[in-house]
Amino acid sequence: DQQVKQNSPSLSVQEGRISILNCDYTNSMFDYFLWYKKYPAEGPTFLISISSIKDKNEDGRFTVFLNKSAKHLSLHIVPSQPGDSAVYFCAASGTGTYKYIFGTGTRLKVLA
Amino acid sequence: GAGVSQSPSNKVTEKGKDVELRCDPISGHTALYWYRQSLGQGLEFLIYFQGNSAPDKSGLPSDRFSAERTGGSVSTLTIQRTQQEDSAVYLCASSKGRGGGDEQFFGPGTRLTVL
Repeated sequence: DQQVKQNSPSLSVQEGRISILNCDYTNSMFDYFLWYKKYPAEGPTFLISISSIKDKNEDGRFTVFLNKSAKHLSLHIVPSQPGDSAVYFCAASGTGTYKYIFGTGTRLKVLA
Repeated sequence: GAGVSQSPSNKVTEKGKDVELRCDPISGHTALYWYRQSLGQGLEFLIYFQGNSAPDKSGLPSDRFSAERTGGSVSTLTIQRTQQEDSAVYLCASSKGRGGGDEQFFGPGTRLTVL
């Protein structure tokens, strides 16, 4: 049972355009959501997070939106750059737990 | 070191042999996690340690898998009688252990190949 789903395995975007990566979850007890970026042969690196008390969090070119009623979050990257090409994972956890559930990832390719 | 380190970076073993994977977390981080990423798959949670609490082993796929964390620092993931389906990248992460939303810092992973 996949509690965190990233239904798009891959996405291609032109440089300078917006990249939108989506993530859906099923567990209403999740309170925290994180996005990680992973380059080949490296471990994932933290990108941005959001708690359930917010519906938006912004950090430079990266913005995460949370729609609790739809159990959906998205990561917007604007403008997209070739260096953003990587696999992006969303992850979720609940209050009082240290356990994170990761999605299967979306491979983003930004075309120059 | 400043980050999470893992050793070895690559391990090739024969089916049926035991392997040990090591993780050195960031100093002062109380939480430590092990994940597995099989080819084309996401990160599969295996186990986490938090301070002196009993570890959460709910993600371990079989009793051939075990992990220890000595002195609240270094951790070893042991896979006994390895099978070909154990081939994957094994990732370790640590965090400050503040609970939900706590950023995890990942090591580079150990790529395990079981022949």
